[in-house]
Amino acid sequence: SYVLTQTPSVSVAPGKTARITCDGNNMGSKSVHWYQQRPGQAPVLVISYDSDRPSGIPERFSASNSQNTATLTITRVEAGDEADYYCQVWDSSSDHRVFGGGTKLTVL
Amino acid sequence: QMHLVESGGGVVQPGGSLRLSCAASGFMFNIFGMNWVRQAPGKGLEWVALISYDGSEKYYGDSVKGRFTISRDNSKNTVLLQMNGLRPEDTAVYYCVKDLATVTSPLDHWGPGTLVTVPS
Repeated sequence: SYVLTQTPSVSVAPGKTARITCDGNNMGSKSVHWYQQRPGQAPVLVISYDSDRPSGIPERFSASNSQNTATLTITRVEAGDEADYYCQVWDSSSDHRVFGGGTKLTVL
Repeated sequence: QMHLVESGGGVVQPGGSLRLSCAASGFMFNIFGMNWVRQAPGKGLEWVALISYDGSEKYYGDSVKGRFTISRDNSKNTVLLQMNGLRPEDTAVYYCVKDLATVTSPLDHWGPGTLVTVPS
């Protein structure tokens, strides 16, 4: 089955830029979505279709997808961005939705 | 405003059954696919099941296939998850989640979740 691999943790100082990656075979051919999950809360969609930002999501959140890696970038990181971030795709070969293992973003 | 509210969670012994329900409101329920996604304590997200807008197509994660059944009642704006043969590894918060559009689309709205506990 299709596997998405994320770095377990990323740390960044306030005001700096955080980059969270999601690796998968031939990722560039799939639509990647990103979710933010703050402690004790349900996930929230922050990026859809590789790079689209839903209404209400700050412009500080952006993303790209190419070849075997999708990347979520958060600029001017704030304390409120501290959360777990998950990438997700649809695997058409197995008809499964697939999540990455998640990346814990810590704001120092 | 869209609302999804799960119910039916609780403690069940291994091998037992439980039925989760999700009540939807604030959107045209009968034109969207619906999902269940779970999260074991301290772990990541795991997709469990998807049902198409009209119930004609159903997909399951490998760990639950053959034990769990997803269904929906568009007249009542509800989606159900019948869980049989429960195992300790099924212990998780179960989220009811709405598709934005198709199977390749994102999951654009999540309920608060309901906790299922299967003690070992």
